Amino acid sequence: DAGITQSPRHKVTETGTPVTLRCHQTENHRYMYWYRQDPGHGLRLIHYSYGVKDTDKGEVSDGYSVSRSKTEDFLLTLESATSSQTSVYFCAIGDTQYFGPGTRLTVL
Amino acid sequence: QKEVEQDPGPLSVPEGAIVSLNCTYSNSAFQYFMWYRQYSRKGPELLMYTYSSGNKEDGRFTAQVDKSSKYISLFIRDSQPSDSATYLCAINPEGGGNKLTFGTGTQLKVEL
Repeated sequence: DAGITQSPRHKVTETGTPVTLRCHQTENHRYMYWYRQDPGHGLRLIHYSYGVKDTDKGEVSDGYSVSRSKTEDFLLTLESATSSQTSVYFCAIGDTQYFGPGTRLTVL
Repeated sequence: QKEVEQDPGPLSVPEGAIVSLNCTYSNSAFQYFMWYRQYSRKGPELLMYTYSSGNKEDGRFTAQVDKSSKYISLFIRDSQPSDSATYLCAINPEGGGNKLTFGTGTQLKVEL
C-alpha cells in the first residue's frame, strides 16, 4: 500500500448537515487529491493540493471545500450536504496518484 | 464530447484469452497516459504509465499509445480470473500539473 488512509470509510448523514472526510498519508507526498466516483461519470476531480495551504479547484468543486494544514492530512468538507453528493470519495497522493480505499457517503 | 471516451462493457472473456481495452481522447495536448485497475469496492491501483507513442510491456500487460489517432490500448495476455476488475484509462496534459482526466472504466470479467 502507498501509506494512505481515509476516514470514515462509511457515513450516512442527512441533507443539510456538514460532513468532513479525512485523508491521511505517511509518504510525505506534496500532491494530494480528492475525487468522487459515480456510475456513468467515472472519477471526477473535486479539489487538489500541491502543498501545505496550497489548494485549487477541480472539475466538480461546487459545494465542497478543502484544507491542508499539514503535509500528511487533506480534509474535504461538505458544508451542507445534499443528496447529489451521495457518492464514493477517493483520496489520491503523488505524481502518478496512488489511491486510498475510499469513503462511501450517503446523504438522505 | 467527453475528453476521454471508454467503452463501459461489460466485457466477458474465457480464461487464457487476450483482452484488448481501449480509450480515445480528443485533446492533442494530452501527453501522459495511465491505466488503473479497480477491484470492486476498492480504490484504483496504477498498472501502467507511459508518455510516448508506441508500446510498453510489463509482464502480461502491454500499454499502447497512438497519438496520431488519439487512441490508447491496454492488452492483457493469458487473462486470469484475478484480472476481473474495472480498468480505467487516465490522461494528463503536458504542463497540466498532475490533473488527470479519467475514462469511465471498462468492466472485465474473466471466466473459468
